[in-house]
Amino acid sequence: SQWGEENLQALSIQEGEDVTMNCSYKTYTTVVHWYRQDSGRGPALIILIRSNEREKRSGRLRATLDTSSQSSSLSITAAQCEDTAVYFCATGTNTGKLTFGDGTVLTVKP
Amino acid sequence: EAAVTQSPRNKVAVTGGKVTLSCNQTNNHNNMYWYRQDTGHGLRLIHYSYGAGSTEKGDIPDGYKASRPSQENFSLILELATPSQTSVYFCASGEGQTGTEVFFGKGTRLTVV
Repeated sequence: SQWGEENLQALSIQEGEDVTMNCSYKTYTTVVHWYRQDSGRGPALIILIRSNEREKRSGRLRATLDTSSQSSSLSITAAQCEDTAVYFCATGTNTGKLTFGDGTVLTVKP
Repeated sequence: EAAVTQSPRNKVAVTGGKVTLSCNQTNNHNNMYWYRQDTGHGLRLIHYSYGAGSTEKGDIPDGYKASRPSQENFSLILELATPSQTSVYFCASGEGQTGTEVFFGKGTRLTVV
């Protein structure tokens, strides 16, 4: 598998808290995608980080990429109930194929 | 807005039967993909295509065929469905370059009994 973490993880937090999700990958990549999947829907891209960016921000989202340790993280600041979803990291190739990790189920409680 | 439409959304099939899942995209993307997602796991690539007439094997192609008759349409075919193919299937399209977004459909839930 491309990804070191094989099992779906679950996180449960209170609204307003910050949360960080981590992924590690085994083979070289220049791009890490973070996708969000809502119940009954397909995944949707929320942030993409390249190897020359170390950190990328989009609204309350912050992604990091450490190519030396082959790991990436996604942080959500001041989480809201609507952030409840499954979050996946994925590496991409030059053909556009994505290899997904198993994901993190995030539940934000009011 | 990028649009990928899958049909049917739900399907119950009998073991040994033939199943065809259809996908249509209006993004004019060259590349299309079929993934399956099993409970508690990420998506795994079954087949993909670079354009009309092309199909390529992904990471888990056994038991599946694909067909890309046009730029817009990409089908996944299970010639002899088995219970192990019970899963949720996602079609996607993309430009096919590193670091570009891949757009997913809403998925087809297939149950093989």
